[in-house]
Amino acid sequence: DGGITQSPKYLFRKEGQNVTLSCEQNLNHDAMYWYRQDPGQGLRLIYYSQIVNDFQKGDIAEGYSVSREKKESFPLTVTSAQKNPTAFYLCASMASGVAGELFFGEGSRLTVL
Amino acid sequence: AQSVTQLGSHVSVSEGALVLLRCNYSSSVPPYLFWYVQYPNQGLQLLLKYTTGATLVKGINGFEAEFKKSETSFHLTKPSAHMSDAAEYFCAVSGGTSYGKLTFGQGTILTVHP
Repeated sequence: DGGITQSPKYLFRKEGQNVTLSCEQNLNHDAMYWYRQDPGQGLRLIYYSQIVNDFQKGDIAEGYSVSREKKESFPLTVTSAQKNPTAFYLCASMASGVAGELFFGEGSRLTVL
Repeated sequence: AQSVTQLGSHVSVSEGALVLLRCNYSSSVPPYLFWYVQYPNQGLQLLLKYTTGATLVKGINGFEAEFKKSETSFHLTKPSAHMSDAAEYFCAVSGGTSYGKLTFGQGTILTVHP
């Protein structure tokens, strides 16, 4: 079955450590997205990529980095510069020409101790 | 710029009662509007969407929403709530050159009582 796989599902890290969240899709979608979800704040866009080797900052990119070396993969690194990294992170993808129909992974919950 | 406001962070209904979740949007271009549902500790799933054409759109699980341009609203309804409808619901907007970027509302948690 096609879908989006995020790993790990739960992650604990100490302050000051960089962590990388994995996102892989086998839907053959061109566009991929990373959102951060905090209670009562909805989803906020961190980074997105509409084509391989290209990506753009979203609304809250500070303290995060991404890469898009393959169509299937869009990993997110939460760096030590991110001041409040504890959150639920969601990866999504979208097929070209299908406006707004995002397919989501099941999320990664990061807790910084 | 686009924005979405969902009125009511929590809505509680009895099983069998009408479900009404409110969403108002702001957009400088003709909007595309969406409702997504999220079950605990899971990703989001598309319920329905409006892009162009008929303003009353039907989605999965018996939900529907009506685009009202004059009121800048896209409220979600379901005639009869089921226990399995308990979840968090998100309204989202996109449009124009940023059609691939969705702006989400804050979410509404729906509780269904027996």
